[in-house]
Amino acid sequence: AQSVTQPDIHITVSEGASLELRCNYSYGATPYLFWYVQSPGQGLQLLLKYFSGDTLVQGIKGFEAEFKRSQSSFNLRKPSVHWSDAAEYFCAVGARSGGGADGLTFGKGTHLIIQP
Amino acid sequence: NAGVTQTPKFRVLKTGQSMTLLCAQDMNHEYMYWYRQDPGMGLRLIHYSVGEGTTAKGEVPDGYNVSRLKKQNFLLGLESAAPSQTSVYFCASGGISGDYYGYTFGSGTRLTVV
Repeated sequence: AQSVTQPDIHITVSEGASLELRCNYSYGATPYLFWYVQSPGQGLQLLLKYFSGDTLVQGIKGFEAEFKRSQSSFNLRKPSVHWSDAAEYFCAVGARSGGGADGLTFGKGTHLIIQP
Repeated sequence: NAGVTQTPKFRVLKTGQSMTLLCAQDMNHEYMYWYRQDPGMGLRLIHYSVGEGTTAKGEVPDGYNVSRLKKQNFLLGLESAAPSQTSVYFCASGGISGDYYGYTFGSGTRLTVV
């Protein structure tokens, strides 16, 4: 069965500093990989996704993520965070077979706090 | 274009009561999902549907039932609510050909069982 580990429950970053959120996955092959963001009281918004090809993926809001097969990782990065980036971030995996029918497996999330 | 609409947004139930959560999508998506979100647990899949008239169990299906009588609607039922079902429930839809996992999430239903 596939699984996702987000090792950091909380991360505090100063505004303007760089950010890296970690994600490790367990899957028999290379899965589809996703990062979602959830602002307080809101639903989930897709930041970026990796299906194949270039292992550095660009997303919305200035985020990027790098897929490293050898480390089974898909870490999310941003060079300079803004106060509006404070939110919950979820990494997720999906099986390549079935065309996305079986849904996603989510990590437990990382709560990002931005210090002024 | 409303996307995915969940009804109701908030609900308080007494233990043993029943209720139905409605998810409606207007994007002609084939796939629909119900997730629950609990603090420190992320989102966990309850049930899903890959087309009208179909349903399947996810990771945490016990205590819930679902129906997909119309393509645009996916209902989640709690027959006898328990405090352990206090959670935020999210519906998602997806499945447009060529856009694997192009999911759209609803804004959630916060359910409290007392």
